[in-house]
Amino acid sequence: NAGVMQNPRHLVRRRGQEARLRCSPMKGHSHVYWYRQLPEEGLKFMVYLQKENIIDESGMPKERFSAEFPKEGPSILRIQQVVRGDSAAYFCASSRQGKDTEAFFGQGTRLTVV
Amino acid sequence: GENVEQHPSTLSVQEGDSAVIKCTYSDSASNYFPWYKQELGKRPQLIIDIRSNVGEKKDQRIAVTLNKTAKHFSLHITETQPEDSAVYFCAASEPGTASKLTFGTGTRLQVTL
Repeated sequence: NAGVMQNPRHLVRRRGQEARLRCSPMKGHSHVYWYRQLPEEGLKFMVYLQKENIIDESGMPKERFSAEFPKEGPSILRIQQVVRGDSAAYFCASSRQGKDTEAFFGQGTRLTVV
Repeated sequence: GENVEQHPSTLSVQEGDSAVIKCTYSDSASNYFPWYKQELGKRPQLIIDIRSNVGEKKDQRIAVTLNKTAKHFSLHITETQPEDSAVYFCAASEPGTASKLTFGTGTRLQVTL
């Protein structure tokens, strides 16, 4: 059973470009969570999605950031017009349907904006 | 919203000694408290968790205690080994949202020979 798969592992973007980060949850998991980790800091919740629904986006910046989890395919975290402050590790976690189930993290995507 | 504080930020112990990391949380409704270990450049990995109906849980050299009244929980690692060196994060979540976690700021544990 493959774990949570994120790609790419490393992404370099110039300021003003778009970044697309992908997350495929573990088999049987229908809940996806995105977290951001700035250097030397803890993980900060960004958004919680189920298939075709955004459940909680209270941690998402108001502009430039969006997320989706379509019926088919991986979850996508999209950052438009990236700035240097967006440089961070972005982790996706997935969990099974149902309450109070633990989350499993992917390896993360390390975004560097130059 | 929930706020989790973690101490100390760095901890250095000699191999074989014990290490204790402490966290406090603010939301009395939180009922799930996992601990993650993160090695440099890698994903956070769940090492132990505790729910609010339990006061203590142990798994080999790792134990976690929870004091709901005081709203704090602690990670205890006994007989530390060099491979325990990593950053450890505590986290808390509210009922029904076990995967929407609020993380502490992390403790960098260094186990020296």
